[in-house]
Amino acid sequence: SAVISQKPSRDICQRGTSLTIQCQVDSQVTMMFWYRQQPGQSLTLIATANQGSEATYESGFVIDKFPISRPNLTFSTLTVSNMSPEDSSIYLCSVEEFSTGQYFGPGTRLTVT
Amino acid sequence: GQQVMQIPQYQHVQEGEDFTTYCNSSTTLSNIQWYKQRPGGHPVFLIQLVKSGEVKKQKRLTFQFGEAKKNSSLHITATQTTDVGTYFCAARYNFNKFYFGSGTKLNVKP
Repeated sequence: SAVISQKPSRDICQRGTSLTIQCQVDSQVTMMFWYRQQPGQSLTLIATANQGSEATYESGFVIDKFPISRPNLTFSTLTVSNMSPEDSSIYLCSVEEFSTGQYFGPGTRLTVT
Repeated sequence: GQQVMQIPQYQHVQEGEDFTTYCNSSTTLSNIQWYKQRPGGHPVFLIQLVKSGEVKKQKRLTFQFGEAKKNSSLHITATQTTDVGTYFCAARYNFNKFYFGSGTKLNVKP
């Protein structure tokens, strides 16, 4: 299974600023996903990021607010732009290999003050 | 949009008792995956079910996929304290979309 790391592991940011979260995978994978999880809640898919194409966003999430880059098959970034306290959450990236299950990074805990 | 309902929300059991969580969809699923998330951790993949009526076992865990591919269950026999966590189903309706259930938080009393 793929090993995934995320940076930063946590951050406290001021409203109106932006934060870029990095996701690094130890192997080449085609499909990468970004999720948001409020503490004690379920996971909500933000977007699917496949290398060589623009990210596909889910309803309620837009590129201007959550721009995503996927420059190669082992790396992706998610930016949370113009943050507000409502953006406080855990952000997780995941990858799927051969449609057999997703492997998640450890998550980035974001607090916006 | 697509939704998958998961019940119960919480389950408290005595160690040694059985536990079951259920996921239901109003539309046919491509497949369904199950995950376990320990407190403070990230979701960990348990299994994927693809075929109608499929049943898979992992030691004390039994996973079932309904004949109509609209529902699924996870059953744990003789729970242990190591089973504590939140169990999520993740429904796949097409290639790139996953919808996670609300999760069932399992607490096991020793």
